[in-house]
Amino acid sequence: EAQVTQNPRYLITVTGKKLTVTCSQNMNHEYMSWYRQDPGLGLRQIYYSMNVEVTDKGDVPEGYKVSRKEKRNFPLILESPSPNQTSLYFCASSPNGAGYGYTFGSGTRLTVV
Amino acid sequence: QKEVEQDPGPLSVPEGAIVSLNCTYSNSAFQYFMWYRQYSRKGPELLMYTYSSGNKEDGRFTAQVDKSSKYISLFIRDSQPSDSATYLCALLSGYSTLTFGKGTMLLVSP
Repeated sequence: EAQVTQNPRYLITVTGKKLTVTCSQNMNHEYMSWYRQDPGLGLRQIYYSMNVEVTDKGDVPEGYKVSRKEKRNFPLILESPSPNQTSLYFCASSPNGAGYGYTFGSGTRLTVV
Repeated sequence: QKEVEQDPGPLSVPEGAIVSLNCTYSNSAFQYFMWYRQYSRKGPELLMYTYSSGNKEDGRFTAQVDKSSKYISLFIRDSQPSDSATYLCALLSGYSTLTFGKGTMLLVSP
């Protein structure tokens, strides 16, 4: 089944403790992206990647890091999480650019206390 | 002025009604227009996309774009309880800049 898999689905952590949210897609998509979704603010792009070793900032990149060492994986790294990063996170992939339509993962609910 | 405006709802309709969901935008650079549907506790899924003014139909769904008015719509005919979800418009400028509306929650009652 073609899908984007995120792990974990739910995570509660403490301020300052580094964490990684994994994202993997099995569709050989070139384009991958991370979004956060907050009430009243909607979906906002954190980072995106057009291909292996090519990443760029989205609208809200502060406090996040990403890497794209393999085509299928695009992990999101929070080096020192803070409470304002409590959010619902989505990974998405597309064959070639956002205009082809994203396939989204099921989301990761992160709470930072 | 926000780039993309979308009424958050909720919009409550009876089963079988015709539903109209709308977004307005201010940036003329938007060239591709999409609608996503998001069920509770799920990621958004692409419903329809179009890049030209006019109508595009897919089953019970019709996407309408009016570039001159900067107004896009999604119509759902014969709405079903399974259509209850949040609907997000998404507008693309350039290769990778996709701007989402905040979403409209739709509730279809049996």
